[in-house]
Amino acid sequence: EAGVAQSPRYKIIEKRQSVAFWCNPISGHATLYWYQQILGQGPKLLIQFQNNGVVDDSQLPKDRFSAERLKGVDSTLKIQPAKLEDSAVYLCASSIGGGTGELFFGEGSRLTVL
Amino acid sequence: AQSVSQHNHHVILSEAASLELGCNYSYGGTVNLFWYVQYPGQHLQLLLKYFSGDPLVKGIKGFEAEFIKSKFSFNLRKPSVQWSDTAEYFCAVKEISSGSARQLTFGSGTQLTVLP
Repeated sequence: EAGVAQSPRYKIIEKRQSVAFWCNPISGHATLYWYQQILGQGPKLLIQFQNNGVVDDSQLPKDRFSAERLKGVDSTLKIQPAKLEDSAVYLCASSIGGGTGELFFGEGSRLTVL
Repeated sequence: AQSVSQHNHHVILSEAASLELGCNYSYGGTVNLFWYVQYPGQHLQLLLKYFSGDPLVKGIKGFEAEFIKSKFSFNLRKPSVQWSDTAEYFCAVKEISSGSARQLTFGSGTQLTVLP
């Protein structure tokens, strides 16, 4: 079974530039999550989708971050403009449902903002 | 808001030593509990989980965890660690409220280094 695919794996940008990350979840998984993991901390949920609808985006900095999952399959997370404190690994995860099921994670996209 | 505490940031053990990693959470209601592991260069993967029933749960690779509701704890244990257990370990908690699950909250992680 193919896992959660993410790209790019690494990205270096300067502050105030924009960046986009892509995620393709496991086939058939209705729920998709974006997490931010800053060095030395645990992953923090940014946004959760159920199919193509947003379930929870309470911790998404909406002035600069946006995410979409237009067809209920793959998803894009965008940051514009980036700040130094956005340097982190952006993890995508998926699950069959949004309840108590196990989350399957991708390898992450590491962002460095200079 | 829900919080998850992992008190040990870095643990160093020799092979065959016993392991216990602490995890405490703040939510007083029903919870689902998880331990995830991240081996060097790999993605986060599930080690074990607790939903209900027997508070002692067994996971992959000889790991187990015990849910102690009165202590709001879900400590991870392994009787004898191996070099290949070197990884970062994350405790995670989901609140279950009115039958629906809220977001998964992670602790800050514990880096385990096992010396050969």
